Amino acid sequence: DAGVTQSPTHLIKTRGQQVTLRCSPKSGHDTVSWYQQALGQGPQFIFQYYEEEERQRGNFPDRFSGHQFPNYSSELNVNALLLGDSALYLCASSLGQDYYEQYFGPGTRLTVT
Amino acid sequence: AQRVTQPEKLLSVFKGAPVELKCNYSYSGSPELFWYVQYSRQRLQLLLRHISRESIKGFTADLNKGETSFHLKKPFAQEEDSAMYYCALGDYNFNKFYFGSGTKLNVKP
Repeated sequence: DAGVTQSPTHLIKTRGQQVTLRCSPKSGHDTVSWYQQALGQGPQFIFQYYEEEERQRGNFPDRFSGHQFPNYSSELNVNALLLGDSALYLCASSLGQDYYEQYFGPGTRLTVT
Repeated sequence: AQRVTQPEKLLSVFKGAPVELKCNYSYSGSPELFWYVQYSRQRLQLLLRHISRESIKGFTADLNKGETSFHLKKPFAQEEDSAMYYCALGDYNFNKFYFGSGTKLNVKP
């Protein structure tokens, strides 16, 4: 089991563009949470997907949206990119909606120029 | 409102010295608290959680509700403990998760 995988590893976008990040959960996990980690900061909770629905959301604007597929993989979409969206985006998977055993992916480094 | 505070960005100790990484939280109700660790070039991973009251790699953490703290301790630091440590809180009322800003532990030989 490769654990949680994320793609791409890194990417560079221009302000105003849209981006899609992808996450495959650890085998057996059905819940995916997304986090944004700015440089020098701890991860900030964006939202959680469970049973293909957004269950909870942190303090992020509607420009941030997501999707979960029947195989539990997930996408994070960010529209109208701002320079401040530059960060490491982490995906974490777990079983059920609790946070006892969150497994994190390596992250996607997004740079907005 | 900030939920988790880690007041130290960097903590440097010598090998064999005791270590205490501070974490304070604000939360109404019974919190679920965790410590995560990120070693160099590795992904974020769970170190321990307060409900299990276990010792992992010699680290322990006690929840002090009176002081709203969950400090991470180890009696004798090892060089391999050098890493970034994050305190985190699970908000089960709203099913959200909050991380502190992290403390970098540097254990010197």
